[in-house]
Amino acid sequence: GAGVSQSPSNKVTEKGKDVELRCDPISGHTALYWYRQRLGQGLEFLIYFQGNSAPDKSGLPSDRFSAERTGESVSTLTIQRTQQEDSAVYLCASSRTINSPLHFGNGTRLTVT
Amino acid sequence: EDQVTQSPEALRLQEGESSSLNCSYTVSGLRGLFWYRQDPGKGPEFLFTLYSAGEEKEKERLKATLTKKESFLHITAPKPEDSATYLCAVQPLRRNTGGFKTIFGAGTRLFVKA
Repeated sequence: GAGVSQSPSNKVTEKGKDVELRCDPISGHTALYWYRQRLGQGLEFLIYFQGNSAPDKSGLPSDRFSAERTGESVSTLTIQRTQQEDSAVYLCASSRTINSPLHFGNGTRLTVT
Repeated sequence: EDQVTQSPEALRLQEGESSSLNCSYTVSGLRGLFWYRQDPGKGPEFLFTLYSAGEEKEKERLKATLTKKESFLHITAPKPEDSATYLCAVQPLRRNTGGFKTIFGAGTRLFVKA
């Protein structure tokens, strides 16, 4: 496909479990972002990858959150020991260069029960 | 601290009733300002990029303008299909760290009634 793909589209998990969210960016896009969007709110920056540079992790809310990206391909966002306040839509975006607009996936809706 | 504030939070219009959405920003330096449209259950969709004060971009019924402190998204003769959340985002200039984090506002929810 031509767009950013995220999986799963929905995830329900029990409090305390770990979850892993996946993002397939557009081929050739060097930059990749993760954002969190709580119900009815704006986008909260989590982490940013640019090529082989060290990622900008300044938005990760706690050490339970981590993300990896191999080269310019797939990224995974991992949330350990999930809490109810982690319930949100997690959006991934990629861009061709650092100056280009972001192209978003449709997100993963995470519900922690 | 870099910040983006959008107003109003929600806007209800009749079909054909033109209006404007506001995006105020505070950044140490602006690399670019972006407007996105978000439909329920979907990721944001890119609309415009503006780089310098005085710049304008148009697409169908939408026109985006930029000053040194704010941007406006003008909607002319809106239709029900224009109903969505409109998000403003800024990419600050980071001369020292080289970071390029894009910061989003909370959005304006637009409802257009037929």
